[in-house]
Amino acid sequence: SAVISQKPSRDICQRGTSLTIQCQVDSQVTMMFWYRQQPGQSLTLIATANQGSEATYESGFVIDKFPISRPNLTFSTLTVSNMSPEDSSIYLCSVEDLESVAREQFFGPGTRLTVL
Amino acid sequence: KQEVTQIPAALSVPEGENLVLNCSFTDSAIYNLQWFRQDPGKGLTSLLLIQSSQREQTSGRLNASLDKSSGRSTLYIAASQPGDSATYLCAVRNTNAGKSTFGDGTTLTVKP
Repeated sequence: SAVISQKPSRDICQRGTSLTIQCQVDSQVTMMFWYRQQPGQSLTLIATANQGSEATYESGFVIDKFPISRPNLTFSTLTVSNMSPEDSSIYLCSVEDLESVAREQFFGPGTRLTVL
Repeated sequence: KQEVTQIPAALSVPEGENLVLNCSFTDSAIYNLQWFRQDPGKGLTSLLLIQSSQREQTSGRLNASLDKSSGRSTLYIAASQPGDSATYLCAVRNTNAGKSTFGDGTTLTVKP
């Protein structure tokens, strides 16, 4: 299984600022995803991070608000821009390997964001 | 559109009890189903993955079953312990290239 780390693990930010979250995987993976989990709710997929090209965003999420980079097969960043209290959530990085028939999904430890 | 439901939303049991968590899905043409555990404020830990061709998977005290025809999966936890207290989520993938749909989870509390 893949070992995934995220930085920071948590942060408290002021309204109107931006935060960049990093996701590092210990092996090359084909698929990387970013999820949001708002308080008391289940996971919502934000986007698929594509290596070397623009991310693929889900309905309701836009690049200006959540710019994503993926420079290689082991690293990705998610930026939460111009934050408001509604952005307070746990942000989770997830990976899968397309070469694996099982398509098991693994998650990082999450970044707990509080916006004041 | 796939919909995943987990019942009950919360469950409290005394230590040592065997218990079953349920996951229902509306579209039975699935590729796989995965059970996760999430501790408060943390990420998800993969527990068991069942491929569409499989009926069950076991790991230690955990057993997950899959019945595609009825659109159901169950996670059986034997001899529950306080350390099993967490939220359990199931995720259903419909195709090899598709995204997973997550249920809202069942929050389990095991009392000493």
